[in-house]
Amino acid sequence: EPEVTQTPSHQVTQMGQEVILRCVPISNHLYFYWYRQILGQKVEFLVSFYNNEISEKSEIFDDQFSVERPDGSNFTLKIRSTKLEDSAMYFCASSDPTGGDLETQYFGPGTRLLVL
Amino acid sequence: GESVGLHLPTLSVQEGDNSIINCAYSNSASDYFIWYKQESGKGPQFIIDIRSNMDKRQGQRVTVLLNKTVKHLSLQIAATQPGDSAVYFCAENGIQGAQKLVFGQGTRLTINP
Repeated sequence: EPEVTQTPSHQVTQMGQEVILRCVPISNHLYFYWYRQILGQKVEFLVSFYNNEISEKSEIFDDQFSVERPDGSNFTLKIRSTKLEDSAMYFCASSDPTGGDLETQYFGPGTRLLVL
Repeated sequence: GESVGLHLPTLSVQEGDNSIINCAYSNSASDYFIWYKQESGKGPQFIIDIRSNMDKRQGQRVTVLLNKTVKHLSLQIAATQPGDSAVYFCAENGIQGAQKLVFGQGTRLTINP
């Protein structure tokens, strides 16, 4: 069964450093998403991406964040200058707009980011 | 504004019993709802979804009920198994065609042997 994959599984970085989180969405999906989950809290939407551009973003997704689809398979989230409060689990998700299942988003296993 | 929440943070049931996890939402414009299961250290796993033009949908051992009058969503798990122990989240899309999902706080379900 196809699944979303993410690398690395864990990332430790120093405050102020740049990090890039990587995702490989399900191959025939066209919508891609990033969410985050601070420890013990609910999952929060960051951004959605379609047709090589951001289609929706939350207030969390400020200028420190960017997303990119550098090739036909990868989808990345970059945090330019990490802050302590960026420590969280980051989930990538994807969905297939065909067949009317646009909203059914399938999640990857997540990357645990720890900013020191 | 949009708000999705869960009534109970924890729920314990005996193995083999049925469990019901509840969720309240406040956005009457929401037209799509989804339940996810999250095991420790893993990402949310799709369980079942329902659109606002339905009030019930069944899957394998799971049933989702939607009551639009009181803005209430529930997940019923039949004949619970140890592998059902996890945190369960409800989520909704807020408005038709919206891409972001708004998640609730989650309910931790524990299956006792």
